[in-house]
Amino acid sequence: AQKVTQAQTEISVVEKEDVTLDCVYETRDTTYYLFWYKQPPSGELVFLIRRNSFDEQNEISGRYSWNFQKSTSSFNFTITASQVVDSAVYFCALSEAHGSSNTGKLIFGQGTTLQVKP
Amino acid sequence: DTGVSQDPRHKITKRGQNVTFRCDPISEHNRLYWYRQTLGQGPEFLTYFQNEAQLEKSRLLSDRFSAERPKGSFSTLEIQRTEQGDSAMYLCASSSSQYRGEQYFGPGTRLTVT
Repeated sequence: AQKVTQAQTEISVVEKEDVTLDCVYETRDTTYYLFWYKQPPSGELVFLIRRNSFDEQNEISGRYSWNFQKSTSSFNFTITASQVVDSAVYFCALSEAHGSSNTGKLIFGQGTTLQVKP
Repeated sequence: DTGVSQDPRHKITKRGQNVTFRCDPISEHNRLYWYRQTLGQGPEFLTYFQNEAQLEKSRLLSDRFSAERPKGSFSTLEIQRTEQGDSAMYLCASSSSQYRGEQYFGPGTRLTVT
């Protein structure tokens, strides 16, 4: 069965600190996708990144970076120089490959609430 | 492209009443998903449509729940004989087969059953 675990329920940092959100996943599929979504107080889930299981290259986008390690089944998310606007709930998610017989449904972790204080 | 929209944004109903929610996906997206999110939890998959065909339903979707996507455009989710345990945020997402797995979510419908 597929499962995503975000062990950190809440994290609080002071603005400009770096913060890493952990994500560990379980799947028997050899081909799968991993995602991070942001849910600000307004409630709408915002897509941040998708990685496929064949691409273990780390990715950086501005202050955001992602570390994908298949050996440890982890897909961690780091925010550098955090800002108050980064305060939100962050979800890691997993889906099987988008083949013709697969739905692509997302399996979400429990989420990590990040509070960035000024 | 205006994104995924959902209506209503909030719904308060009394136990035993029926409710219906609507989702309008991004126009070129052929895949549509419904999820349910309760307080402090991640969204949980309910059902999936590819065009007008409902291809998967979660065990969470009891026989009081029904979803449709006529003509492969907008979708409706109906809950009959609502129970207090149905109180949650109902999220709709859509994606394109051309962009594997990237689902874009609507603002959700928050249901409160009193």
